[in-house]
Amino acid sequence: DQQVKQNSPSLSVQEGRISILNCDYTNSMFDYFLWYKKYPAEGPTFLISISSIKDKNEDGRFTVFLNKSAKHLSLHIVPSQPGDSAVYFCAASVGNSGGSNYKLTFGKGTLLTVNP
Amino acid sequence: DADVTQTPRNRITKTGKRIMLECSQTKGHDRMYWYRQDPGLGLRLIYYSFDVKDINKGEISDGYSVSRQAQAKFSLSLESAIPNQTALYFCATATPGFETQYFGPGTRLLVL
Repeated sequence: DQQVKQNSPSLSVQEGRISILNCDYTNSMFDYFLWYKKYPAEGPTFLISISSIKDKNEDGRFTVFLNKSAKHLSLHIVPSQPGDSAVYFCAASVGNSGGSNYKLTFGKGTLLTVNP
Repeated sequence: DADVTQTPRNRITKTGKRIMLECSQTKGHDRMYWYRQDPGLGLRLIYYSFDVKDINKGEISDGYSVSRQAQAKFSLSLESAIPNQTALYFCATATPGFETQYFGPGTRLLVL
């Protein structure tokens, strides 16, 4: 049973336009969400996160939106750049408060290609 | 220098062989994790350790074992490798109170 779903295996956008990557989850206990970026031959690197007490978090060109009622989050990249081309993983964890086990559950990833 | 290092970076082995993948970190983090990545399947947790005396199974621990030799070192062993263990393996670290995990560069393992 896949608890974190990234239903789009790939996404292609033009440089300068907005990239929107989507993620759905089924476990209502998840209360912290992260996006990781992965280039070929490298490990995933942390990009941005959001706690369930918020509905938006912004860091430069990257914004993550959380819709708890829909169990949906999205990553917006504006403007998209060719260097953003990578695989993006959505991840979620349970228990940001005391007693957390800090395990991350990952989605399958979305390959973003930004065309010049 | 990288904060999280993995050795070897690439390994080819034969079915039935025992192999060990090693992970070292200089971040001073207590928590360490081993994941595998397969095409189209994302990252799946094999084992994790919250300190030297604490080892826990992840979702796909069968066929694997781990050793936490020190705070900075966490090794993954395949006692008898099989072809479906061919994958990309990642080590990660984290510190209590923070969800963010920091990943090593990965080990590409091919089991023939």
